[in-house]
Amino acid sequence: AQSVTQLGSHVSVSEGALVLLRCNYSSSVPPYLFWYVQYPNQGLQLLLKYTSAATLVKGINGFEAEFKKSETSFHLTKPSAHMSDAAEYFCAVSEGGGFKTIFGAGTRLFVKA
Amino acid sequence: SAVISQKPSRDICQRGTSLTIQCQVDSQVTMMFWYRQQPGQSLTLIATANQGSEATYESGFVIDKFPISRPNLTFSTLTVSNMSPEDSSIYLCSVETGPGELFFGEGSRLTVL
Repeated sequence: AQSVTQLGSHVSVSEGALVLLRCNYSSSVPPYLFWYVQYPNQGLQLLLKYTSAATLVKGINGFEAEFKKSETSFHLTKPSAHMSDAAEYFCAVSEGGGFKTIFGAGTRLFVKA
Repeated sequence: SAVISQKPSRDICQRGTSLTIQCQVDSQVTMMFWYRQQPGQSLTLIATANQGSEATYESGFVIDKFPISRPNLTFSTLTVSNMSPEDSSIYLCSVETGPGELFFGEGSRLTVL
C-alpha cells in the first residue's frame, strides 16, 4: 500500500529565506509523486510532478523538488520565500494512471515579513 | 488544462437534510474522483465515478450516505445524505490529467448546523 508522510504540519520562514517542506513516501512500485498548493478558500493546484524522468523537478512559482529513491523522499524547496507563498502544501503519491492518488496530511507554510 | 465547475461553491445546511453537489467538466473524461477535506485536514478519496457503472467507494464511505451519479463523460453529482455536523467539509471534484495527476475544481464548502 502507498503512503505519504509530511514532516511538520506548520513551517514558518522569513521572507527571502529558504523554504524546505519535507515529504517521504512509501510505494511498492515506482511512484508518481506530486506537490499541490492550496491557497485560502481555493481548490488545489499542481505545483510540480515527478514521473520517472529527471530526478530534479522544477515547478511553478520557483519551486522545485528532488526525487531521492534511496531516501524515499520528495522534498519541496524554494530558494527565497515570498509572502505570496503562504499556503497549505500537500505531497501526494500515485501508482499511475487509473490508480488513486494518496495525499499527505499537509504542511502549512507561514511567511514572516 | 481542464475546466471544472462545481456547484454550489458553499452552502449552509440543516442537520438531517441532503445536499447534491454538481461537477461539470469541459471535456470528456473517463474517471472523476470525489474527495473530502475536513476542516484542517488532508484530502480523503470518497469514491471514483466511472461513466456507465457504479461508483467505486473507498473504505469508510458507503453509497447510502454518498450516492454518486455519472450520467455522461462530462458530469457527475455527489449527494451527502442525512447530514450531520461531522459532514461539514470541503467536497472536491477532480479529474485525471496525467498518470496519477489530478486537476481539481474549486470545491464545495459545506457547513451543517
